Amino acid sequence: DIVMTQSPDSLAVSLGERATINCKSSQSILYSSNNKNYLAWYQQKSGQPPKLLIYWASTRESGVPDRFSGSGSGTDFTLTISSLQAEDVAVYYCQQYYITPVTFGQGTRLEIK
Amino acid sequence: EAQLVETGGGLIQPGGSLRLSCAASGFTVSSNYMSWVRQAPGKGLEWVSVIYSGESTYYADSVKGRFTISRDNSNNTLYLQMNSLRAEDTAVYYCARSSGSYYFVSWGQGTLVTVSS
Repeated sequence: DIVMTQSPDSLAVSLGERATINCKSSQSILYSSNNKNYLAWYQQKSGQPPKLLIYWASTRESGVPDRFSGSGSGTDFTLTISSLQAEDVAVYYCQQYYITPVTFGQGTRLEIK
Repeated sequence: EAQLVETGGGLIQPGGSLRLSCAASGFTVSSNYMSWVRQAPGKGLEWVSVIYSGESTYYADSVKGRFTISRDNSNNTLYLQMNSLRAEDTAVYYCARSSGSYYFVSWGQGTLVTVSS
């Protein structure tokens, strides 16, 4: 199985500041035939199901604010929130869908400083 | 708009069985990859099982041989039959939809399964 490791486990950022969450896969999740990274990001607010933010490592889901962006390739990926808003308090998960079983990172808890 | 509603959770003794249902609306279950993903209390997300549009099914090693995923196309509903339940199966169970590729575009609100004597 591919192991997904996120860092940090928790993060406190001031309103309006940048938040950066990292995700590392135990093997490359870049598929050479289509040059796509099989990596998604989700946001889970307290008491709610996860919500898809980003797929193909950098494609924003419809309706997701443009302050959310994804980057990276191969084994190292980043979710960036350019200007933190109060409603962004949540746990964030990365997920690889390169092979079955799909696997998730352990989550990063984002709070307001 | 796609909507998923899970039912069937509850308190069950170790060794017991439970069947979860996920009623879908706004899309056709049989045309999508449909999965179950669970989340133990205070923990992260764990994929459990998937049924592809072509009927193929796959399971996490932790549930293989005990859980069975299926769907009823006429009722547009996904199921998870859970047998030989263990304390470590205690979790909120979400059904989730993937279209084409295996990221989850829609999630239900989840149903809590508690395995305890």
